[in-house]
Parts: sequence; C-alpha cells; structure tokens
Amino acid sequence: DTGVSQDPRHKITKRGQNVTFRCDPISEHNRLYWYRQTLGQGPEFLTYFQNEAQLEKSRLLSDRFSAERPKGSFSTLEIQRTEQGDSAMYLCASSLGTENTEAFFGQGTRLTVV
Amino acid sequence: GESVGLHLPTLSVQEGDNSIINCAYSNSASDYFIWYKQESGKGPQFIIDIRSNMDKRQGQRVTVLLNKTVKHLSLQIAATQPGDSAVYFCAENSASGSRLTFGEGTQLTVNP
Repeated sequence: DTGVSQDPRHKITKRGQNVTFRCDPISEHNRLYWYRQTLGQGPEFLTYFQNEAQLEKSRLLSDRFSAERPKGSFSTLEIQRTEQGDSAMYLCASSLGTENTEAFFGQGTRLTVV
Repeated sequence: GESVGLHLPTLSVQEGDNSIINCAYSNSASDYFIWYKQESGKGPQFIIDIRSNMDKRQGQRVTVLLNKTVKHLSLQIAATQPGDSAVYFCAENSASGSRLTFGEGTQLTVNP
C-alpha cells in the first residue's frame, strides 16, 4: 500500500494524558498536512510541513499541540494534557511540493478523550 | 473571510440517476478546487479537481463545473451507484497552496 498511513487508527485516553499520532506520507511527497475533523464537519487545517520545515500553523493549534517532521518523511502530532474537546478525527495528508496539486489523505486517527 | 460551503446537507437519489452536488465559495481569489468523497470512518478520498482557468472538467462518471461569476462549484455524478453513497466535500486551496478549506459536506444516499 503506497498511500498515506496513520497510526493508530483509534485511541482512547483519559483526560490529562498525552497522546502521539504518527503519519507516513506517500514517499515522493514533500508536503505533509495535519487536519482535525469533528462529527458532521469538514476537516479543519492544523499545520503543514514542506520537507522538515513547519511552514504554517492554524490558530486551532494551541500550545498543547506540537507537530514534528524531523527527517522530512514521517510526522508526529502530539497532544499534551488532553481535554474532552480534543476528541476528533485527526487526518494527515500529503502532496507533491508544487502549488495546486491534490492532497491525498490517510484514514485518520480517531481520538476519544474520556 | 474565506469560506466554502454547500447548499444542501443531504441528497437522496435512485440508483442509476444522475446526482448533482453544489458548492458555493466566497473567496474570489481562490484558484483551485477539489472534490472529496468521504465514507464513514475513512479519510477523504480525492475525486476530481479543477483550476480557475477552466469551466469544466470530466473524469470517470464525474464532472466538475466551475462558475467563477457566481462563485459556484458543482459535482455531477452520472449513473449513481450504491457505492457512491458518502459525504462529499468541496475544498478550496489557498493561493499559496498550503491549506485546504473545506465546506460542511453533503451526505449522498443512493437508494437501490
């Protein structure tokens, strides 16, 4: 499977715990994006990497959230001190590094904070 | 501000009929649009895209129409099949190409 891969698919955590998600993009794609999606809504942009550089962050990305892409390949998204409002689907996407090219999404990580 | 929205939250059609899903956008500077299909529990799946220098683009059983005058986008699905049942989102790519702005989606249900 050469698509975008996310791990884990599901995560249940207690409020206050830290969680980390991983995304492996399509191998030749140098752009990587994180989105968050709540039930019934479209995905909302969180952050974006060009290779290892994090070039843009949404205001949705509070200081409890941090994303990394240390070698320009896979990426991690960490949420510290989780809150119930963090419950959502976290989607990763990747695309080629040219403007206006399609982004391909992974299957997402469903986070439930109890 | 930038926003992309859909006219109808739900659409129900009979198998074999053609489906039309509509989308309105507000940012006249938007120059790239994508339609995604999302099945329950899965990530959005790319269907078709269109750039602002085009009015129409066709794929396999799908056609996207862009009317820049009224800032309207539509997705036409020919001979709709049960497997087409999903939520459909239109998305706008920002001028820098760094983010997609999605609408709320239209739930398409295909009745056998």
